[in-house]
Amino acid sequence: GAGVSQSPSNKVTEKGKDVELRCDPISGHTALYWYRQSLGQGLEFLIYFQGNSAPDKSGLPSDRFSAERTGGSVSTLTIQRTQQEDSAVYLCASSLAGTLLQETQYFGPGTRLLVL
Amino acid sequence: QKEVEQDPGPLSVPEGAIVSLNCTYSNSAFQYFMWYRQYSRKGPELLMYTYSSGNKEDGRFTAQVDKSSKYISLFIRDSQPSDSATYLCATGRQGAQKLVFGQGTRLTINP
Repeated sequence: GAGVSQSPSNKVTEKGKDVELRCDPISGHTALYWYRQSLGQGLEFLIYFQGNSAPDKSGLPSDRFSAERTGGSVSTLTIQRTQQEDSAVYLCASSLAGTLLQETQYFGPGTRLLVL
Repeated sequence: QKEVEQDPGPLSVPEGAIVSLNCTYSNSAFQYFMWYRQYSRKGPELLMYTYSSGNKEDGRFTAQVDKSSKYISLFIRDSQPSDSATYLCATGRQGAQKLVFGQGTRLTINP
C-alpha cells in the first residue's frame, strides 16, 4: 500500500517568504508527527497530532511555525517569514493509533527546504 | 547537553566486519529504545525496538540496552554494502508521544 507522502520534495525560497509543506499520512493512521532534520543534527520533534488535534506542539521553534491537520488525514506545516536557519529537511511520520510510544512510526521522504 | 548523544561518524568498515554503533542518554525515565536506518534522501525506517535492558536479535542485527549506564548499542554482523546508511538511535517514555533522536551515525561498508 501507499506510504507517507510529502510535497514538495524540494523547496527553495527567499528569506522572509512564507512556505507550506504538505504531508499525506498512511490511510487509517490517526497519529501524525512532524520532525526537522538539520545538517549535522538528529531528528528534532516539532509537533504531534492525534486526529485533528495537537496535544503536543512543544517542539515548534517559534511562533513563525504552525501546523494543522484536517479530516484526520492531510497535514500542513506552515513557516512564516522564513529565515536561513529554517533550512532543513522536514519529515512527516504517521502511526496507527499513536497511543503507545513503541508503535512504529512510518516516515515520508521529507521536504528539503532551502532559504536563501 | 543533548538528551541523546550519538557519534556522527562517519564510520567506514570493510564488508564482512562487525559494526558497533552506540548512543548514550541522560533521562532515566526513557523506557523505549529504537534504531532507525536512513538511506540517502529517504525517510528513516524502523530497524529494531527494545523495551528493557538486555539484548534483542533480528537476523544480523542485535540491539543492546544497558539502563544502568544509560547506554544503547546496535551490532551488525557480516556487514554488507547494502547496510551503508545513517543509523539513528531514538528513545522516549510513555505518556510523551514523541521520540528523542540521536544525531545519527553515517556508516559506509566497503566492498
